[in-house]
Amino acid sequence: KNQVEQSPQSLIILEGKNCTLQCNYTVSPFSNLRWYKQDTGRGPVSLTIMTFSENTKSNGRYTATLDADTKQSSLHITASQLSDSASYICVVSMNSGYSTLTFGKGTMLLVSP
Amino acid sequence: EAGVTQFPSHSVIEKGQTVTLRCDPISGHDNLYWYRRVMGKEIKFLLHFVKESKQDESGMPNNRFLAERTGGTYSTLKVQPAELEDSGVYFCASSQDGANTFGSGTRLTVV
Repeated sequence: KNQVEQSPQSLIILEGKNCTLQCNYTVSPFSNLRWYKQDTGRGPVSLTIMTFSENTKSNGRYTATLDADTKQSSLHITASQLSDSASYICVVSMNSGYSTLTFGKGTMLLVSP
Repeated sequence: EAGVTQFPSHSVIEKGQTVTLRCDPISGHDNLYWYRRVMGKEIKFLLHFVKESKQDESGMPNNRFLAERTGGTYSTLKVQPAELEDSGVYFCASSQDGANTFGSGTRLTVV
């Protein structure tokens, strides 16, 4: 069964601190892995997209890593800001082009002042 | 560039009633997707349009759900008759090159 598991379920950190979110998947065949940020009441917004051959990708203070052998990914947030408070969702795509996506439940991050 | 627009943002209906959700994709995007998030669960795929054609509707829960995309522009998702378990947030997304842009969703509550 194709699944995406994320941990932790929720996380509270102080403003300015770093954090790392985890994603394990069993989706096959693998095409790409995406991290999305979803603010409350809004739709998910793409942060990074990584294909099989990419080990790391950065988008500002967000850095995603991918280990396709162990089927694990992480999202590292550096120098967190209050606006980083959101749900972070790991999504794996099975095929390129017109694809369906398998979503994780997300990690709810709260950055506290 | 306008994003993906969904209407309404919220809808509360009684069990047995009909509700129609609308999605306006980004202009020129051939691909349009519907997703749903039930409380406590992950977002799940419902169906995929390429222009006006249904490419994949394997995620549609049952025949109470009907999606259309006449003319290949906006899409509607009708639930008839609605049941309590249909409550959730319905997201629409569109893409041209595989990178999905999501709308803000419609929160449907069936009481």
